[in-house]
Amino acid sequence: EAGVAQSPRYKIIEKRQSVAFWCNPISGHATLYWYQQILGQGPKLLIQFQNNGVVDDSQLPKDRFSAERLKGVDSTLKIQPAKLEDSAVYLCASRERAEGFYEQYFGPGTRLTVT
Amino acid sequence: AQKITQTQPGMFVQEKEAVTLDCTYDTSDPSYGLFWYKQPSSGEMIFLIYQGSYDQQNATEGRYSLNFQKARKSANLVISASQLGDSAMYFCATDGGYNKLIFGAGTRLAVHP
Repeated sequence: EAGVAQSPRYKIIEKRQSVAFWCNPISGHATLYWYQQILGQGPKLLIQFQNNGVVDDSQLPKDRFSAERLKGVDSTLKIQPAKLEDSAVYLCASRERAEGFYEQYFGPGTRLTVT
Repeated sequence: AQKITQTQPGMFVQEKEAVTLDCTYDTSDPSYGLFWYKQPSSGEMIFLIYQGSYDQQNATEGRYSLNFQKARKSANLVISASQLGDSAMYFCATDGGYNKLIFGAGTRLAVHP
């Protein structure tokens, strides 16, 4: 079974530019997560989707970050405009169902550097 | 709110020895799960082991075992017979609302030959 796919793997932009990340979860997984991992820290949830609806976006900086999951499959995360402190690895994860114990499967991440 | 504390920034172990990575948690939820993930230098998060708060026995998965002490709110990961490929960052996590994961800061494990 194919894993969680993310692209691009690396991105370097200047501050105030915009950037978008793409995630394709494991086929059939209803729940999708975007995490931000700043160097030296554990991942922190930005947003969680259940199918194409948002379940939790309490830690998403909504003035600059946006995310969507059209048709309940692929998802994109956008930053506009980027700040220096947005430099991090952005991890996408998916899970088969929302309830009960189901493992979260993570993608390889996108490493963003804002200069 | 849930919180995970990992007090060991770095650990060293000799190949073939066992090592324990510490994790303490704080949650007000009556039912919760505890997870350990491995993150090699390549960056992907690899699920290792899960312990449910009502599980009577400590979880084991191959060379990984979770030493769950509910009264102490600790969920330490034990890796037996360490291998060079075990060198990585290790993260402890618990499930927050809607089954999102709350991670600790991680422990970097170095296995020496």
